[in-house]
Amino acid sequence: EIVLTQSPATLSLSPGERATLSCRASQSVSSYLAWYQQKPGQAPRLLIYDASNRATGIPARFSGSGSGTDFTLTISSLEPEDFAVYYCQQRSNWPPRVTFGQGTKLEIK
Amino acid sequence: QVQLVQSGAEVKKPGASVKVSCKASGYTFTSYGISWVRQAPGQGLEWMGWISAYNGNTNYAQKLQGRVTMTTDTSTSTAYMELRSLRSDDTAVYYCARDLIAALDYWGQGTLVTVSS
Repeated sequence: EIVLTQSPATLSLSPGERATLSCRASQSVSSYLAWYQQKPGQAPRLLIYDASNRATGIPARFSGSGSGTDFTLTISSLEPEDFAVYYCQQRSNWPPRVTFGQGTKLEIK
Repeated sequence: QVQLVQSGAEVKKPGASVKVSCKASGYTFTSYGISWVRQAPGQGLEWMGWISAYNGNTNYAQKLQGRVTMTTDTSTSTAYMELRSLRSDDTAVYYCARDLIAALDYWGQGTLVTVSS
């Protein structure tokens, strides 16, 4: 079973700064690597799919990169509404199986 | 617009069962699968399993095998998740999500299931 490890667990930054979140897989994953944002009391929101494609309506300041076992979510210039928890997720095609990382909390410094 | 609307909060006693519904609209229901994900209080996201809305094929997380059943009703575009033999550590918010394979792109609003004696 693939394990996703996110780092750091908590990231403290100020609005306007650049955020870099990491997701490392225990073995090489397919391109089915996604990133989600979750705010308190809300369902997760899809940000990035296939490692680097922004989902519909997601601002251009969010970008994803990586392949194999190492993936990165970058927020180029933090807005106040970006402070939340971020999860990476991979999916095997068959049998269908989904794995989430443990999350990175992005907090205001 | 795509929407997934889930049933309301439930309170159950240990050993009981719960069945959560997820009604889809705004797309062709049988063209996508549904994944179920849960989140215990203050914890991360845990995938529970997947069902094909096309043919009803399922795949469940190993730790829930034998306790969970996922079904669909294509006549009403509704997916269901039943969890049996509830324990206190099953207390969580349960989400359904449309499964694109590449990602889970639309999510329900979540259903809080509380297991308490």
